[in-house]
Amino acid sequence: DSGVTQTPKHLITATGQRVTLRCSPRSGDLSVYWYQQSLDQGLQFLIQYYNGEERAKGNILERFSAQQFPDLHSELNLSSLELGDSALYFCASSGSSGTYYGYTFGSGTRLTVV
Amino acid sequence: GQQLNQSPQSMFIQEGEDVSMNCTSSSIFNTWLWYKQDPGEGPVLLIALYKAGELTSNGRLTAQFGITRKDSFLNISASIPSDVGIYFCAGQNTDKLIFGTGTRLQVFP
Repeated sequence: DSGVTQTPKHLITATGQRVTLRCSPRSGDLSVYWYQQSLDQGLQFLIQYYNGEERAKGNILERFSAQQFPDLHSELNLSSLELGDSALYFCASSGSSGTYYGYTFGSGTRLTVV
Repeated sequence: GQQLNQSPQSMFIQEGEDVSMNCTSSSIFNTWLWYKQDPGEGPVLLIALYKAGELTSNGRLTAQFGITRKDSFLNISASIPSDVGIYFCAGQNTDKLIFGTGTRLQVFP
């Protein structure tokens, strides 16, 4: 157990629908990162939140949005889903500014759009 | 988005063989990290390197932080079946991690 919790583990939904993925960071970590990994692809950075505020944006589609709540958990919202959105979505967390020891990843949510 | 160049893209080796993979960048990083991803799981940190030229071991794994701070390599000695997975390098400055494209390792008995 890495300490980063992602739910649900698996999600199957139809095209055009909207889903919400949830992430609870490791205790004490202020930053949350979201990554998308399509089949046989690398890790594509989507977005970062730090202590409730958006810190950095990567290749995140306009149909996707995220937020980090006061208790530091984060949600990634995917709307108007397309077949190509099927992927593994990972959340990672890291410590407060000044401590750079990499990220701790959750076990991911596998999204299948049919 | 920005990614590090990692090679080889994939490797098929026999159990007991040694493995070497590397990662290069056009940018300087203050920290280099190596992650392993098992099928269907999230990446797990294997080794972190903090100083240029640093050589660090973790069991059968050895990694080095290039002297120019633009590259790193990872060696796995005496491979075993559970070494199967995707290995990612990552360079870090401040709180931003840039990942390599990954090396997929298959180990045959």
